Amino acid sequence: QSVLTQPPSASGTPGQRVTISCSGSSSNIGSNTVNWYQQLPGTAPKLLIYSNSQRPSGVPDRFSGSKSGASASLAISGLQPEDEADYYCAAWDDNLKCWVFGGGTKLTVL
Amino acid sequence: QVQLVESGGGVVQPGRSLRLSCAASGFTFSSYGMHWVRQAPGKGLEWVTLISDDGNNKYYVDSVKGRFTISRDNSQNTLYLQVNSLRAEDTAVYYCAKDRGAARPGYRQYGMDVWGQGTTVTVSS
Repeated sequence: QSVLTQPPSASGTPGQRVTISCSGSSSNIGSNTVNWYQQLPGTAPKLLIYSNSQRPSGVPDRFSGSKSGASASLAISGLQPEDEADYYCAAWDDNLKCWVFGGGTKLTVL
Repeated sequence: QVQLVESGGGVVQPGRSLRLSCAASGFTFSSYGMHWVRQAPGKGLEWVTLISDDGNNKYYVDSVKGRFTISRDNSQNTLYLQVNSLRAEDTAVYYCAKDRGAARPGYRQYGMDVWGQGTTVTVSS
């Protein structure tokens, strides 16, 4: 059971917009920023969004993040086949004194 | 460019030990906190441990406290993870990852940005 809650799966067709949610609590998302990671099949995770909504250099602006209270969301617009991957949210937990991840969401591009 | 290369994984019997290493290059290693994150076969990411830039502060997930020890050698740009008393449930790919900041207590925690390719630890008799 992960501290952060994500839907196990999501799907969309090419060109569609998809959102993935990440629910936490006041000790993690509620008081710290959220990062999102993309893990393509068979590869290491890659930072996709940091500080709730910032994109590292090289990440397309089709990817966006937001946070409200103790929840965060990742939105992918103009879905492309190469976006098929696992997506994870993460945040620091002030009570546990550790980083916590969501269980991951497997995105399928139909 | 920033590069992290893990090594030291392998097949080990339950109860035995391993030392994982992560060689860093392309950035000022001594200025950043460093993490180990693991992923069991077919499972999600699990954060394991974090060490601050100066090595003075360390954090662990409860399941490895007392068994795993993170350390770093800033003169050699290398991160280590000593894993003792290994259990079957420790079987995973172990990734090292650079933090976006120094990871010192009392300051904002930024989290992982660059990841290595991982090293596989298999605990089996």
